[in-house]
Amino acid sequence: SQTIHQWPATLVQPVGSPLSLECTVEGTSNPNLYWYRQAAGRGLQLLFYSVGIGQISSEVPQNLSASRPQDRQFILSSKKLLLSDSGFYLCAWTPYQETQYFGPGTRLLVL
Amino acid sequence: EDQVTQSPEALRLQEGESSSLNCSYTVSGLRGLFWYRQDPGKGPEFLFTLYSAGEEKEKERLKATLTKKESFLHITAPKPEDSATYLCAVGASGGSYIPTFGRGTSLIVHP
Repeated sequence: SQTIHQWPATLVQPVGSPLSLECTVEGTSNPNLYWYRQAAGRGLQLLFYSVGIGQISSEVPQNLSASRPQDRQFILSSKKLLLSDSGFYLCAWTPYQETQYFGPGTRLLVL
Repeated sequence: EDQVTQSPEALRLQEGESSSLNCSYTVSGLRGLFWYRQDPGKGPEFLFTLYSAGEEKEKERLKATLTKKESFLHITAPKPEDSATYLCAVGASGGSYIPTFGRGTSLIVHP
């Protein structure tokens, strides 16, 4: 069966510090991968998606970036965090054009 | 542009009091409508995928139905453990797979 992992689970970072969140999927190959941000009381905001290694599409202009160095690994990064980057970050995957499955999420607090 | 509207935003029920959550959508060719359950601090958990009008799916006390314009998530005799936010999303046929999510309905079931 397929499993999706995210780490860390919780992160507290000062403003201006770098960020690296990791997502890995097990038990499948060539999945579509997604990064979402969910602010308190708001819906899911799609940040990036990837249909293959090295292929990244950005949905929202921001100081975040994403990379897919391996087939089942998706990384969300920032060089300098802003207060507004605080939120709940979710990674998701789909088999080709099927239901999305979400990871457990990373709670990021920027102080 | 694809749109998903969920109502009500919040719903409080007494244990055993059946009710329904609504998901209205507009999409240029429905590939699938998805229901998720999200507990606080966790990633959304997949519940159902519906593909065509008239389709119904059930899981324990939950039953999802689909028409050409909306979907209902019926909750029969809810229990406190059914308390969660329920998210609806639609996927459009053709192109990259990026589902459109609603903002969710927050359900609280009182004992």
